[in-house]
Amino acid sequence: AQRVTQPEKLLSVFKGAPVELKCNYSYSGSPELFWYVQYSRQRLQLLLRHISRESIKGFTADLNKGETSFHLKKPFAQEEDSAMYYCALSGQGGGNKLVFGAGTILRVKS
Amino acid sequence: EPEVTQTPSHQVTQMGQEVILRCVPISNHLYFYWYRQILGQKVEFLVSFYNNEISEKSEIFDDQFSVERPDGSNFTLKIRSTKLEDSAMYFCASSEGGVGAFFGQGTRLTVV
Repeated sequence: AQRVTQPEKLLSVFKGAPVELKCNYSYSGSPELFWYVQYSRQRLQLLLRHISRESIKGFTADLNKGETSFHLKKPFAQEEDSAMYYCALSGQGGGNKLVFGAGTILRVKS
Repeated sequence: EPEVTQTPSHQVTQMGQEVILRCVPISNHLYFYWYRQILGQKVEFLVSFYNNEISEKSEIFDDQFSVERPDGSNFTLKIRSTKLEDSAMYFCASSEGGVGAFFGQGTRLTVV
């Protein structure tokens, strides 16, 4: 079964503090992992994909196949990072559906 | 930057009525999807569409639902006879394949 677990509904940190949004997955093959972000009243936006190994807006995520995790990290949170973050997976190959986690609200306090 | 656009942004309909939700995917994308999110719940996959046919559908996507690409640009989701439990945010998405999907801003469907 394909499943994505985001254990925290809400993560509240102070500006400048490190952030780690947790994501664990269950998949019986080699998945592709993604992080999506949804700012207030805006659409879901693709933030990161594991295959690119990129850093966007200071965020990084490393796929750990042993722990089946894809945690999202940022060393210094900014107030504009406050949003809903969704971890998602799909099967490899073109056009596969996304399976989403429940999402974590990140609140960055000043 | 090209975007997926959805209309309307909000639709209120009476139970039992038919609704059509419209989407214009990004023009060079090949794969199209509908997802929904019931308030307070996860984003759930409904259906994917490729090469003018359904490539995968979920258990939610029963005979009440249908999708169509009536011309070269639009992609529609029809719900034939709406139920109260169809109330949700419906998201259209498109992708080139394998690189993550790009989402529209959603249509909030309220069935009364």
